[in-house]
Amino acid sequence: QQQVKQSPQSLIVQKGGISIINCAYENTAFDYFPWYQQFPGKGPALLIAIRPDVSEKKEGRFTISFNKSAKQFSLHIMDSQPGDSATYFCAASESSNTGKLIFGQGTTLQVKP
Amino acid sequence: DTEVTQTPKHLVMGMTNKKSLKCEQHMGHRAMYWYKQKAKKPPELMFVYSYEKLSINESVPSRFSPECPNSSLLNLHLHALQPEDSALYLCASSQRGRLAQNTEAFFGQGTRLTVV
Repeated sequence: QQQVKQSPQSLIVQKGGISIINCAYENTAFDYFPWYQQFPGKGPALLIAIRPDVSEKKEGRFTISFNKSAKQFSLHIMDSQPGDSATYFCAASESSNTGKLIFGQGTTLQVKP
Repeated sequence: DTEVTQTPKHLVMGMTNKKSLKCEQHMGHRAMYWYKQKAKKPPELMFVYSYEKLSINESVPSRFSPECPNSSLLNLHLHALQPEDSALYLCASSQRGRLAQNTEAFFGQGTRLTVV
């Protein structure tokens, strides 16, 4: 019930291509869905986040698509660049549960030049 | 200032040592967190402090002892650790304990801990 399932585990994309990472959840009480980007040896950095009252949020080349009925959300990285090569984690949280983020297992993205 | 600062960046300690990890933020956030992250795995929540009070302890062994001296500082005291405790220890903070209204969690760079 508390899990967030993330796929794929790894992804290789050519420069300029679209990277797509998917997450699914079970707990309908989740109401905050952030994506984090992590480079080796660094802490996770918030990339973009969405709440379930909207179906899509775009910030620059990064877009979250959210499907409440399917309990799924995804990250799309448009015009992927080698500098986007990192590990991406989706996460979920419920407002009534003090600050507890449930993370997906992570996706290692490699963007080839 | 949107930084969460963690010291030290790297720490090697023996199984009989006592050491402390430190975390500091000056964003006025009232919730602070300790996470543990093993290689190629997601962060795992250890502790949550909300308004300087411990609100969540995720059944962490007593060899890890958190402390929140004030709203800007968070410590993690370590003693009698095991080699399997080697990991990246991450501190995070958010505006308040409940992640409501798009309040995001900011992570520090972590302390890479090696127990020998």
